Amino acid sequence: EAQVTQNPRYLITVTGKKLTVTCSQNMNHEYMSWYRQDPGLGLRQIYYSMNVEVTDKGDVPEGYKVSRKEKRNFPLILESPSPNQTSLYFCASSPGQLYSPLHFGNGTRLTVT
Amino acid sequence: AQTVTQSQPEMSVQEAETVTLSCTYDTSENNYYLFWYKQPPSRQMILVIRQEAYKQQNATENRFSVNFQKAAKSFSLKISDSQLGDTAMYFCALRSEKLVFGKGTKLTVNP
Repeated sequence: EAQVTQNPRYLITVTGKKLTVTCSQNMNHEYMSWYRQDPGLGLRQIYYSMNVEVTDKGDVPEGYKVSRKEKRNFPLILESPSPNQTSLYFCASSPGQLYSPLHFGNGTRLTVT
Repeated sequence: AQTVTQSQPEMSVQEAETVTLSCTYDTSENNYYLFWYKQPPSRQMILVIRQEAYKQQNATENRFSVNFQKAAKSFSLKISDSQLGDTAMYFCALRSEKLVFGKGTKLTVNP
């Protein structure tokens, strides 16, 4: 089944404890991206990647890191999480063409205390 | 910079009636695409409909259709014969190199 798999679905952590949210897609998509969703703010792009070894900042990249060593994986790393990073996170992928809609993962609810 | 504006934070409609969700956008790009996504309470993001900016014909998918006014940079979504399962957050999105979302409209379909 074609899908974007995010893990974990729920995560509670403490300030400053490094964490990684994994994202994997099995559709051979070139484009992958991360979003955070906050009430009243919609979805905001954190980072995106047009292909392997190519990553670019989105609108809210501060406090996050990503890597794209393989085409299928695009992990989101929070080196030192803070409470303002409490949010719902989505990974998404698509073929490289503009007309291609994004395929979203099921989301990760992160709480930083 | 690209922006997408959804001016209706919440809307409600009676089952079987028609509702229109508004979206306006701004971009300096000539080549872009517009999308509507639906997010039900399950929080899954589901594509509803998409529109190529270079096409004048409005896209239609079953009960969902758009009114695309390129000069006005407007991209509204019309839902006909509303069903209880249409209750969800609806996000308008603009894609060129980046994909930018609006803040969403929460739609409630009442029985």
